[in-house]
Amino acid sequence: EAGVAQSPRYKIIEKRQSVAFWCNPISGHATLYWYQQILGQGPKLLIQFQNNGVVDDSQLPKDRFSAERLKGVDSTLKIQPAKLEDSAVYLCASSPGRAFPGELFFGEGSRLTVL
Amino acid sequence: AQTVTQSQPEMSVQEAETVTLSCTYDTSESDYYLFWYKQPPSRQMILVIRQEAYKQQNATENRFSVNFQKAAKSFSLKISDSQLGDAAMYFCAYRSLFTGGGNKLTFGTGTQLKVEL
Repeated sequence: EAGVAQSPRYKIIEKRQSVAFWCNPISGHATLYWYQQILGQGPKLLIQFQNNGVVDDSQLPKDRFSAERLKGVDSTLKIQPAKLEDSAVYLCASSPGRAFPGELFFGEGSRLTVL
Repeated sequence: AQTVTQSQPEMSVQEAETVTLSCTYDTSESDYYLFWYKQPPSRQMILVIRQEAYKQQNATENRFSVNFQKAAKSFSLKISDSQLGDAAMYFCAYRSLFTGGGNKLTFGTGTQLKVEL
């Protein structure tokens, strides 16, 4: 079974530029998450989708971050314009519709450096 | 809001020895879940062990076990017979019992475990 795929793995941009990250969850997984992991901190949930609807985006900085999950499969996370403090690893995770508590399947992450 | 604290940024253990990673949390909820996740270098984070707060018995998964002290809000992870493959960042995480669907987790800051020959 293929795991959660993310791209690009690494991205370096200048502040005020834009960037987009892509995630392909495990086939059939209804729930998709984007977490932000800043160096020295634990992952923080940015947004959670159930199929193609948003369940929780309370910690998403909506003035610069946006995310979509068209057709309930792939997802894209966009940052525009980027700030220095956005430097982090962006983790995508997915879980089945009726997942056990904590049953999350993570991708390898996309590391963003903002200069 | 819930918080999770891991006060050990780094730990070291000799191969085949036992190590304990600490975690404390703060919540006003009476029922919840606690987890330990492992994040190897440049690899995916995976679930190591899960504990339901309403269960008094400590969870065990092969060489991994927890010491859950609900009154003290403490949740430590013990790794027995440590192996080189155990070297990773370990995160403690909390989840409310009812989340309206999905697995919204609150993570600690992590403990980097080094395993030495």
